[in-house]
Amino acid sequence: ETGVTQSPTHLIKTRGQQVTLRCSSQSGHNTVSWYQQALGQGPQFIFQYYREEENGRGNFPPRFSGLQFPNYSSELNVNALELDDSALYLCASSLDPGPMNTEAFFGQGTRLTVV
Amino acid sequence: AQSVTQPDIHITVSEGASLELRCNYSYGATPYLFWYVQSPGQGLQLLLKYFSGDTLVQGIKGFEAEFKRSQSSFNLRKPSVHWSDAAEYFCAVGAQEYGNKLVFGAGTILRVKS
Repeated sequence: ETGVTQSPTHLIKTRGQQVTLRCSSQSGHNTVSWYQQALGQGPQFIFQYYREEENGRGNFPPRFSGLQFPNYSSELNVNALELDDSALYLCASSLDPGPMNTEAFFGQGTRLTVV
Repeated sequence: AQSVTQPDIHITVSEGASLELRCNYSYGATPYLFWYVQSPGQGLQLLLKYFSGDTLVQGIKGFEAEFKRSQSSFNLRKPSVHWSDAAEYFCAVGAQEYGNKLVFGAGTILRVKS
C-alpha cells in the first residue's frame, strides 16, 4: 500500500468521448506525475504537476490535460478518445518534482478501454 | 534522447536459482537509473536506484544491480529467487536535463517455477 489511490480502477469509453481520471496523492506529497502504460510496454510520461502548476510534459497531444488541486490531488483529462488511448494510466506522487531526489510512489492505475 | 532496452521479454527461472535481468540504456552522460517491479493489478514499486558512487547498489527484497558505464548497462540480480518474485520488472532512466520524467524500458516478465 503506497497511499496513492486512483479512481476508477476500470473504465470503458467510446471513441470520441471524454474521460477524467483521478489520483489522490500520498499525504505530504506536493507532486503528481501521470504515465500511460499500453499493453506490453513500459510506462510513458504524460506530464507532471507541482504545486498546482504543470511542471513538465511528455510527447502527448493537447487533448491530454490535467489539473492539480490545493490538496495536491490530481486529474487527468483526455478529450476525443481514440482507440490507441486504451491503456493503464498510472499516477505517481512524490515529495518534490525531481525523480532523482525522492522516490515516486505509484498508484494501482486506472485501466481505460476505448471501444 | 534517453532510451532503455530490456532485451528479454520473458524469463523463467526455478525457485532458488539465481536471476539476472538485463538493462541497457542510451544516454550521453551518467544517467540516474532505477529498477521497478509491478505485480499483476498493482502499481510500480521501486526496488533500487543508482545516482552516483558505488556501482553496486543494494535494494529491497534481496535485489542488487550493478552499473557498468563501459557497457551502458544496469543489470538486476538476485542470488536466490522466491516464488513471490514472479512479476514484471522495469528498468528506467532519468536525467536532470530531461526534467522530471522517467523513461522506462518495455519490461521483463519473470516466471518462477517450483
